[in-house]
Amino acid sequence: DIQMTQSPSTLSASVGDRVTITCRASQSISHWLAWYQQTPGKAPKLLIYKASTLESGVPSRFSGSGSGTEFTLTISSLQPDDFATYYCQKYNNYSSLIFGGGTKVEIK
Amino acid sequence: EVQLVESGGGLVQPGGSLRLSCATSGVTFSVYAMSWVRQAPGQGLEWVSTISGSGGFTYYADSVKGRFTISRDNSKNTLYLQMNSLRAEDTAVYYCAKDGKAVAGFEHWGQGTLVTVSS
Repeated sequence: DIQMTQSPSTLSASVGDRVTITCRASQSISHWLAWYQQTPGKAPKLLIYKASTLESGVPSRFSGSGSGTEFTLTISSLQPDDFATYYCQKYNNYSSLIFGGGTKVEIK
Repeated sequence: EVQLVESGGGLVQPGGSLRLSCATSGVTFSVYAMSWVRQAPGQGLEWVSTISGSGGFTYYADSVKGRFTISRDNSKNTLYLQMNSLRAEDTAVYYCAKDGKAVAGFEHWGQGTLVTVSS
């Protein structure tokens, strides 16, 4: 089975910082990767799909890149609403829609 | 506006059963695959199961295979998860989630329903 590994698990940053989160797949998943944001007590929210396509309504400071086995989520200028936990998910096969372990973005 | 509303969570003893429901509105339900995702207290997201739009194809995580059954009633726009032989490690908030138009991520989520397995 393909495994998804995110790094770092926790990230401390300040408002205005550029933040990058990495997600690695143990085998190639082409561009079939989604990114989600989750705040405490809330359901996750889709940010990016197909590795780099921004979901409608998501601010343009969020961007995604990568293909194959290595992917990144970048927040160009961190805003107060962005302090949350971020998850990647492989979406290449309904038989295994595995999530990464998550990256918590904390206030520095 | 698309809405997904889960129900059926609660406290159940180990070895017991529970059926979760996810009522949907604002969407052509039968077109989209639907999934269940769970989150144990303080933990990350875990994909549980997915069912195709027609209901003809179902997929399960190894952790629940043989114990959980996903189903849907397209006439009622409702998704179900029958959970049998429940274990303490099944304790989690269970979310239903709907495929996006691009079939590349969960575009819509419910608010979640808490399942607690404890004696």
